Amino acid sequence: DIQLTQSPSFLSASVGDRVTITCRASQGISSYLAWYQQKPGKAPKLLIYAASTLQSGVPSRFSGSGSGTEFTLTISSLQPEDFATYYCQQLNSYPTFGGGTKVEIK
Amino acid sequence: EVQLVESGGGLVQPGGSLKLSCAASGFTFSGSAMHWVRQASGKGLEWVGRIRSKANSYATAYAASVKGRFTISRDDSKNTAYLQMNSLKTEDTAVYYCTREWFRELLGYYYYYMDVWGKGTTVTVSS
Repeated sequence: DIQLTQSPSFLSASVGDRVTITCRASQGISSYLAWYQQKPGKAPKLLIYAASTLQSGVPSRFSGSGSGTEFTLTISSLQPEDFATYYCQQLNSYPTFGGGTKVEIK
Repeated sequence: EVQLVESGGGLVQPGGSLKLSCAASGFTFSGSAMHWVRQASGKGLEWVGRIRSKANSYATAYAASVKGRFTISRDDSKNTAYLQMNSLKTEDTAVYYCTREWFRELLGYYYYYMDVWGKGTTVTVSS
């Protein structure tokens, strides 16, 4: 199985901050990576697929980059509604998820 | 509106069985692969398994943690996917989500992702 390691696991930030989350794959997965946002008690929401393609309706302050084994999700200016947990997911083979990054208010 | 609605969750004893349903609406269900993903309380997301469409022979795949105990099926006439869970263990306690697999072609490559999620149904395995 392909393992995904997210860092950090927890992040404290302020509104307006630039935030970057990293996802490392245990083997190369080209650009077969997606990012999801999950708020408490809610289902995950797709943000980005193909490592850097923004899903329709997702604000442009979210961006993704990377290929192979290292990927990043960046929020250019953190908004109050962005405080949530973020997961990366690979679909190069049977899907696996990263452990999640919880973004909390500083 | 594209929608997935899970049902069938509940309390079951260890060793018992439960069957979850996922009713789809607003899109061509028969053409879509469907996945189940679960989340234990306070934990991360875990892929459970998937079933492909008729065009892909209804092929199924499962996570190692549930293989041999869980079975995914679908009834395209009812726009519904199912997750049959047998020999349940306490560690199967979780919220279970069904999701739609979608894809997009970019520069000749097909990129898959899960773009629609249900709200989830809770399964509790306890004596």
